Amino acid sequence: NAGVTQTPKFQVLKTGQSMTLQCAQDMNHEYMSWYRQDPGMGLRLIHYSVGAGITDQGEVPNGYNVSRSTTEDFPLRLLSAAPSQTSVYFCASRVGLAESYEQYFGPGTRLTVT
Amino acid sequence: AQSVAQPEDQVNVAEGNPLTVKCTYSVSGNPYLFWYVQYPNRGLQFLLKYITGDNLVKGSYGFEAEFNKSQTSFHLKKPSALVSDSALYFCAVRDMGSARQLTFGSGTQLTVLP
Repeated sequence: NAGVTQTPKFQVLKTGQSMTLQCAQDMNHEYMSWYRQDPGMGLRLIHYSVGAGITDQGEVPNGYNVSRSTTEDFPLRLLSAAPSQTSVYFCASRVGLAESYEQYFGPGTRLTVT
Repeated sequence: AQSVAQPEDQVNVAEGNPLTVKCTYSVSGNPYLFWYVQYPNRGLQFLLKYITGDNLVKGSYGFEAEFNKSQTSFHLKKPSALVSDSALYFCAVRDMGSARQLTFGSGTQLTVLP
């Protein structure tokens, strides 16, 4: 299994541009989520999905959209990039909703908005 | 709301010495606690979790963690540190709301000196 994969690894955007961060998992996990990591702040939840066709907002959803058309894929869209969205983005998945399941993380996308 | 505190931004320890990375938490109800490690330019990797049962939890790479309910702590430990243990460590607690997501601490940078 490849686990959780993310593309691209690095991206530089100009303010106002849009783009999509790709995330895929091959473990048949129901649950997928997007986090952003900023220095000294740990990871913060952006959006999550409990299954295909179902998404919901996390702690910091503004400026981001998601969709989940298949179990495997969970893309994150930046609608109009802002410098405040400069961050490292991680996609994660786990088997299901139960509290005991650990999450598996992708390698991350480092985004810079100028 | 649940929260996690990692009081030390940086921990330095000599190779071969025992190491401790501290974590305290605040939750309502039973805690579900996790430790993750992040190596440079990599995603987070699961180390261990406490769900219920024994207060001493054993995990990957020789790490263990001690759950202390009265002190609301979940400290990560290893009897003999390796240089390769140098990394960023995150403590996390499971959100018991509808998202069932993880709330992360701010992270502790562990440096093992040769």
